[in-house]
Amino acid sequence: DAGVTQSPTHLIKTRGQQVTLRCSPKSGHDTVSWYQQALGQGPQFIFQYYEEEERQRGNFPDRFSGHQFPNYSSELNVNALLLGDSALYLCASSLEGGSPYEQYFGPGTRLTVT
Amino acid sequence: AQTVTQSQPEMSVQEAETVTLSCTYDTSENNYYLFWYKQPPSRQMILVIRQEAYKQQNATENRFSVNFQKAAKSFSLKISDSQLGDTAMYFCAFMRDRTDKLIFGTGTRLQVFP
Repeated sequence: DAGVTQSPTHLIKTRGQQVTLRCSPKSGHDTVSWYQQALGQGPQFIFQYYEEEERQRGNFPDRFSGHQFPNYSSELNVNALLLGDSALYLCASSLEGGSPYEQYFGPGTRLTVT
Repeated sequence: AQTVTQSQPEMSVQEAETVTLSCTYDTSENNYYLFWYKQPPSRQMILVIRQEAYKQQNATENRFSVNFQKAAKSFSLKISDSQLGDTAMYFCAFMRDRTDKLIFGTGTRLQVFP
């Protein structure tokens, strides 16, 4: 049973470009949350998707957008990249109505903006 | 708004010894969930231990235990018989309810020496 997977592992982009990160949830999970973890910091919540809709959103600008597909996988899109967007992006999956402990994280995508 | 504070940026401990990591949080909620996550150099966020606020008994998981002081809003992690594999970043996290986001502290880097 595969856990949460994310792609790509690493990514280097230039300021002003756009990037798409992908996440496949653990089998049986239907909710996906995205977090940004800057170097030396704790993860910060970006948004959560359930039933293909954004259910919650953290304090991130509209440049950050997402999507959830019918198979529950998700994408995180960031437009007009800034140097400050350089971070580890973590995806976590869970099951709606399930245990609050059953939130599994993926290995993350390391984004570097130059 | 809820906040989580970890006041120890770095800690070190000798193998087989015991170490305690501190965490305080702020919330007006009465029921909530608290977690300790471990993030080794591989970047995968791993759940170490969890506590439900309505449970008075402190949670334990093998060598890991917590000291949950609800009135003081304190949630410390004790690692007994430290092992080299415990070397990692440790994050304290708060969740208001089972569908809510995780709010993380800034982390404590733990180094276990032989």
